[in-house]
Amino acid sequence: IAGITQAPTSQILAAGRRMTLRCTQDMRHNAMYWYRQDLGLGLRLIHYSNTAGTTGKGEVPDGYSVSRANTDDFPLTLASAVPSQTSVYFCASSDGAREQFFGPGTRLTVL
Amino acid sequence: QQQVKQSPQSLIVQKGGISIINCAYENTAFDYFPWYQQFPGKGPALLIAIRPDVSEKKEGRFTISFNKSAKQFSLHIMDSQPGDSATYFCAALGSRLTFGEGTQLTVNP
Repeated sequence: IAGITQAPTSQILAAGRRMTLRCTQDMRHNAMYWYRQDLGLGLRLIHYSNTAGTTGKGEVPDGYSVSRANTDDFPLTLASAVPSQTSVYFCASSDGAREQFFGPGTRLTVL
Repeated sequence: QQQVKQSPQSLIVQKGGISIINCAYENTAFDYFPWYQQFPGKGPALLIAIRPDVSEKKEGRFTISFNKSAKQFSLHIMDSQPGDSATYFCAALGSRLTFGEGTQLTVNP
C-alpha cells in the first residue's frame, strides 16, 4: 500500500519558471490538501479539494493553482515561481474522518 | 495570524525524562485537537488526538492534557526515548486543520 506519493522528491528551479508538483493517493479518499512547511511557521494550507471536481483556497493560495480531475490526483502548479516559494510541500488526504494522511513531501528551491 | 500558538520551538530532554509541549488556541469553534509527529525527511503522521469534552487522553507514553476554559492543550511524553526525537505539531480542527509552529524535540541518550 503506497498511500500518498509525491513527485519530484526535490527540485531546484529558476525564478519565473513554471512547475507542477504531483500528488497521487491510492486510498480513494475524497478530500485532498496541499500544505507548505516553513521553519517557525508550521504547516500552512495552500489549496484543498473536498471531492473530485471541486477545489478551494486555503490560507496562502497566492501564486499557486490546483486541479482535481479525478479522485486520485491533485497536482499543484506554480505558474511563475518566486524565491519566497522555496519550501517543503506536503500533499495530504482524508476520508472525511478527522485524520489527514501526508505524503513524503517535495523540497523546492527557487533561485 | 497564527490561530494556534505552540511552544517551545525546540526542546532537549535526557533519556527517561518527561517532554512537555504546549499549545494555545483562540477559536472556540475548534472541536478536535490532534498532535502530529514528523521524522526528518518524512511527512507528518497522526500521533494522538483529543476532543474538547475530554480533559485527558493517554496512549502509551503519550498523554494529551486539555484545558477548555484556558484554551490550552499540551503533549506529555513520559520516559522519553532517543527514538522520540522528531518535530511535533499541535493542530486544531474547525472548518480546516490549523497547525502550530512546531517543536523540534531532541532526546539525548
